[in-house]
Amino acid sequence: AQSVTQLGSHVSVSEGALVLLRCNYSSSVPPYLFWYVQYPNQGLQLLLKYTTGATLVKGINGFEAEFKKSETSFHLTKPSAHMSDAAEYFCAVRTLYSSASKIIFGSGTRLSIRP
Amino acid sequence: DAGITQSPRYKITETGRQVTLMCHQTWSHSYMFWYRQDLGHGLRLIYYSAAADITDKGEVPDGYVVSRSKTENFPLTLESATRSQTSVYFCASTETSGGASSTDTQYFGPGTRLTVL
Repeated sequence: AQSVTQLGSHVSVSEGALVLLRCNYSSSVPPYLFWYVQYPNQGLQLLLKYTTGATLVKGINGFEAEFKKSETSFHLTKPSAHMSDAAEYFCAVRTLYSSASKIIFGSGTRLSIRP
Repeated sequence: DAGITQSPRYKITETGRQVTLMCHQTWSHSYMFWYRQDLGHGLRLIYYSAAADITDKGEVPDGYVVSRSKTENFPLTLESATRSQTSVYFCASTETSGGASSTDTQYFGPGTRLTVL
């Protein structure tokens, strides 16, 4: 069965500091991986996704994530945090040969930015 | 406006009442989904639909009913609301699903915050 584990339900960083949000997945087949962001009182929006090819994926707002098969990880990073990055972030996995109903979301990580 | 909308945005109801949450998308996406979001659980799939008149259960379907008579609408009904159904409900859609060429990017509505007293 596929699953996603996000390490840390809450991460706090200073403005300008590195942002690192951790995601590990479990999948028996090559996965498709996603990061979604949810701003307060809004729905989720896609930040970036990995399907095939280049393992370093760049997304919107300066975020990027690297797919590491050997570590079953897809951590999200941003070199310099901005106050506007404060939000909840969800990692998700979809396996290659299953239907859309098998997109599994992690429990989320709330990112806070200190001035 | 193009996109995916949900109504109402906020709803308070009482235990035992029937409640319907509406979802409407303007992209003519084939697939639509209903999730509930609860603290510590992330998003859990309630029901999904692959096309008009085709629906299937997700992870937590008990107590919910869906229908999809038109491609653009996917209402979710709580037949007899319970306190455990207090949650934030999100509708989502995607154009394609499954297969090696599909990326399954889902587009989410703004959510409906439902409180069952």
